[in-house]
Amino acid sequence: AQTVTQSQPEMSVQEAETVTLSCTYDTSENNYYLFWYKQPPSRQMILVIRQEAYKQQNATENRFSVNFQKAAKSFSLKISDSQLGDTAMYFCAFMKLTGTASKLTFGTGTRLQVTL
Amino acid sequence: DVKVTQSSRYLVKRTGEKVFLECVQDMDHENMFWYRQDPGLGLRLIYFSYDVKMKEKGDIPEGYSVSREKKERFSLILESASTNQTSMYLCASSLFKGVAGIQETQYFGPGTRLLVL
Repeated sequence: AQTVTQSQPEMSVQEAETVTLSCTYDTSENNYYLFWYKQPPSRQMILVIRQEAYKQQNATENRFSVNFQKAAKSFSLKISDSQLGDTAMYFCAFMKLTGTASKLTFGTGTRLQVTL
Repeated sequence: DVKVTQSSRYLVKRTGEKVFLECVQDMDHENMFWYRQDPGLGLRLIYFSYDVKMKEKGDIPEGYSVSREKKERFSLILESASTNQTSMYLCASSLFKGVAGIQETQYFGPGTRLLVL
């Protein structure tokens, strides 16, 4: 079974600064996907970024980028130029590839507060 | 844009009641999922479905059942609600490109916060 660990329950960052959220996972699979999802307060969960394990290049989406270290089973999220709208719960998730629907295994989340 | 909707944002039920949570997606996705979200535990998969009338148990199926009679609709049923089922319930859907074996991103609904008294 896969496990996903987010060791930082809460983090705080000032507006315009950079913050890195940590995520480690445990799997014996070689092919899989990794995700970061964002859940703003009282709002819908949305995808932030996705990484395919076979890709060596780290995924980026505007101010969001990841540091994917496959051998270390580490998948951290870097948010540059933090904005107040980045305040949210962030979940790291692992997807094992199967022949049918693939399940997501989530970490316990990191609550990020962006302050003025 | 993908739209996943859930029938209620908030629900209050009594212990022992039968509870139905409905989820509808409008993007012709094959896969649909039900999760529950609890503080400090993240999201845990209850059940999922990869086709009409097809279902599989997730990690915590006890006390729940599901129904998928139409492709766009996936229902979660609490046969006899208990206080330990008080939680936030999230529905998600995804496309599965079977030929290419590509697993697509899961898109989430807004959630139903259920309180069982």
